[in-house]
Amino acid sequence: GENAEQHPSTLSVQEGDSAVIKCTYSDSASNYFPWYKQELGKRPQLIIDIRSNVGEKKDQRIAVTLNKTAKHFSLHITETQPEDSAVYFCAASSSNYQLIWGAGTKLIIKP
Amino acid sequence: DSGVTQTPKHLITATGQRVTLRCSPRSGDLSVYWYQQSLDQGLQFLIQYYNGEERAKGNILERFSAQQFPDLHSELNLSSLELGDSALYFCASSARMRTGSYNEQFFGPGTRLTVL
Repeated sequence: GENAEQHPSTLSVQEGDSAVIKCTYSDSASNYFPWYKQELGKRPQLIIDIRSNVGEKKDQRIAVTLNKTAKHFSLHITETQPEDSAVYFCAASSSNYQLIWGAGTKLIIKP
Repeated sequence: DSGVTQTPKHLITATGQRVTLRCSPRSGDLSVYWYQQSLDQGLQFLIQYYNGEERAKGNILERFSAQQFPDLHSELNLSSLELGDSALYFCASSARMRTGSYNEQFFGPGTRLTVL
């Protein structure tokens, strides 16, 4: 069936360094790829998304790159800050109107 | 605040019981999604409704059911509850979408269900 695999499951980086989280999807028809951030005890919130007609999208310190041929996309966070500590979920659209979600990556920013 | 509301915030009940969780989507959103998130786990998609009709089904147990009413609010019914049903249940909504098009899902604050 359709799936989205996310790596790594936990990522610990020094404050100020960059963090990269990767997501691989299976459905070649997927055309929408969002990233959500969930802080402890809070709701998931969209931080950035990309559609299949674009290879890269940037919003200040965060960016997403998409490789449709290889069926993977990545979240890049530069100059990490303590408030970036959270769980990040990737998702890929499926043909039946739902999103296929990754299992999440816990990002820890070390002071 | 996402504009999506969920009630109640917390629910504590016993095994074998039945509960109803309620969700009101953002004004104008026609799609409602239900998710289950167990402790330190990912988001498990349960079911989606679009303008009152079931649109997609995920890993929803037969003991669970949902519906979306004409005013677009949605309810998730959980019956014959088991200890393993303890989780955070999120509702999300998104704007009207053309076939094949996707929009941001806005999540509510969630309902924390504890089954004792």
